[in-house]
Amino acid sequence: KQEVTQIPAALSVPEGENLVLNCSFTDSAIYNLQWFRQDPGKGLTSLLLIQSSQREQTSGRLNASLDKSSGRSTLYIAASQPGDSATYLCAVRLSSNTGKLIFGQGTTLQVKP
Amino acid sequence: GAVVSQHPSWVICKSGTSVKIECRSLDFQATTMFWYRQFPKQSLMLMATSNEGSKATYEQGVEKDKFLINHASLTLSTLTVTSAHPEDSSFYICSARGTFTYGYTFGSGTRLTVV
Repeated sequence: KQEVTQIPAALSVPEGENLVLNCSFTDSAIYNLQWFRQDPGKGLTSLLLIQSSQREQTSGRLNASLDKSSGRSTLYIAASQPGDSATYLCAVRLSSNTGKLIFGQGTTLQVKP
Repeated sequence: GAVVSQHPSWVICKSGTSVKIECRSLDFQATTMFWYRQFPKQSLMLMATSNEGSKATYEQGVEKDKFLINHASLTLSTLTVTSAHPEDSSFYICSARGTFTYGYTFGSGTRLTVV
């Protein structure tokens, strides 16, 4: 059974710091992995999607890496800003035959001005 | 980009009543709709998957007679929580995938409180 874990559960950093959020999954047989942002009481916004054949994806100050063999992904946020404060969720899709996503518990990030 | 509109954003209902939550894909055809539930401080858990025109497939442990899902058109899916009880209080989010969309588009969520 695939399980997704995110560490740390919460993180507080001063503005301007670079930071790394971690995501691990127990079964390396995934189709893709996606990082989402969730603001309090809101839905999810997709940040980056990495296919199983890819190693990383970048969008602006965000960079996500994927090491499928070790079951790990990281989300790197450069030059953090208070507006980055939110909960970040990673989710894996098991195969092309299923659209089901399995989510981690999320990392709640607070960037202090 | 692809947009999914979810309504209502929050609802308070009395125990024993039913509540309907709607998700509409505004600029694409949602061939598949996913319904998730999120309890406080926990992650999203998939409740069911529905394909347009077909019966929904429910995850293990989810009561299909309690959580009625209708996906009668390519732009609208509804989740009805029947005979709601306080333990059904949660955050419900839909996610849609279309034939030509890449990835998933999530609704803004519905906060259900049963009193």
